[in-house]
Amino acid sequence: SYEVSQPPSVSVSPGQTATITCSGAELGHRYVCWYQQKTGQSPVLLIYQDTRRPSGIPERFSGSSSGNTATLTISGTQVSDEADYYCQSWDPTSVLFGGGTRLTVL
Amino acid sequence: QVQVMESGGGVVQPGTSLRLSCVVSGFSFSNYGMHWVRQAPGKGLEWVAFISDDGSKKYYVDSVRGRFSISRDDSESTLYLEIASLRPDDMAMYYCARGGYTTSWYVIENWGQGALVTVSS
Repeated sequence: SYEVSQPPSVSVSPGQTATITCSGAELGHRYVCWYQQKTGQSPVLLIYQDTRRPSGIPERFSGSSSGNTATLTISGTQVSDEADYYCQSWDPTSVLFGGGTRLTVL
Repeated sequence: QVQVMESGGGVVQPGTSLRLSCVVSGFSFSNYGMHWVRQAPGKGLEWVAFISDDGSKKYYVDSVRGRFSISRDDSESTLYLEIASLRPDDMAMYYCARGGYTTSWYVIENWGQGALVTVSS
């Protein structure tokens, strides 16, 4: 399999746009998912198939992909968006998570 | 609504075995592949295992293959994870999660609250 990497931390001011990147050798050929995990809670699926949002996920969360890099964008970031964010990809017999990015909103 | 509930965690000694269970409701269990994902204290998510909807495909992360066994009982809407020869680095919160249906198997759509496994002598 291959590795998927993310920056360990990102900071953003409330109301601004946060971007979290995810890179991996096969991401140009594989869809990426994004998950949000708030402190003490279970992860929640935010984005799947690079760009699609499950029902109930606010529109301020969006995903994109170009080449071997996927990006999660949070527009109009709220204090409540402070959390760990994980990208995830796959190969035919495994699921691969990035190491996670701690988003600080201050 | 979709509910996923793990059980079977606790404090266990190194070298012993453990079985985690996961009971689901709110969806047709037999139509979905299921995952186990773990998270060591203060660390990131690590995918552990997957079983397909019909049980014919089972995938494992390399680090647990041969020691962990995933299985399912559709009559009880229950997923299992058997862990043998527990090691200190198996200590983690173990999440049971539903795979995708209209999406894809690797999309982890719904997560349980987790079962904490502590390995200590």
